[in-house]
Amino acid sequence: AQKVTQAQTEISVVEKEDVTLDCVYETRDTTYYLFWYKQPPSGELVFLIRRNSFDEQNEISGRYSWNFQKSTSSFNFTITASQVVDSAVYFCALTDNNAGNMLTFGGGTRLMVKP
Amino acid sequence: KAGVTQTPRYLIKTRGQQVTLSCSPISGHRSVSWYQQTPGQGLQFLFEYFSETQRNKGNFPGRFSGRQFSNSRSEMNVSTLELGDSALYLCASKRTGGVGNYGYTFGSGTRLTVV
Repeated sequence: AQKVTQAQTEISVVEKEDVTLDCVYETRDTTYYLFWYKQPPSGELVFLIRRNSFDEQNEISGRYSWNFQKSTSSFNFTITASQVVDSAVYFCALTDNNAGNMLTFGGGTRLMVKP
Repeated sequence: KAGVTQTPRYLIKTRGQQVTLSCSPISGHRSVSWYQQTPGQGLQFLFEYFSETQRNKGNFPGRFSGRQFSNSRSEMNVSTLELGDSALYLCASKRTGGVGNYGYTFGSGTRLTVV
């Protein structure tokens, strides 16, 4: 069975602060895929990143960076120099070969960036 | 290119009625999945269609059904609506059926309110 845990339900920061969103996952499959999505108030889930289980390289994309550690089953997301426009709910998700195309989502972390 | 289009955006229905929601995937995308998002249960997988066939189904009662047409457009139907069916229903499309090969693109959702 798959499980994704986002222990932080809400985080509030002041603009320009760095913030890390935690994601811990569980799966029995050795081949799996992890995702991060952003959900602004409009409701649409915006794809941010996909990572497969064979690629543990960390990734940086502008102000965003991701730290994937198989040893701790974690896939954390850091926003550097946060901005008000980063305010949204962020979801971590998982799928594996046994799940078909079904994504299992974490409960989400609501990030509020105050000016 | 056009994104995933869901119609209608908002819907109010009375308990006991039925409802049909529509999803037009990105051109060329053949896999369409549906998710229900509620404050209490979070994001939960409903079902996935690929080439007009349901390939995977989540843990929802038979009142929830769907179909996919030859042009990949999909509809989901909920019969005998209950108050607990009030939710944001999100559709996601994907280029191929392969697991994790590509990211999933989500629509803005249909917000269903059952009164």
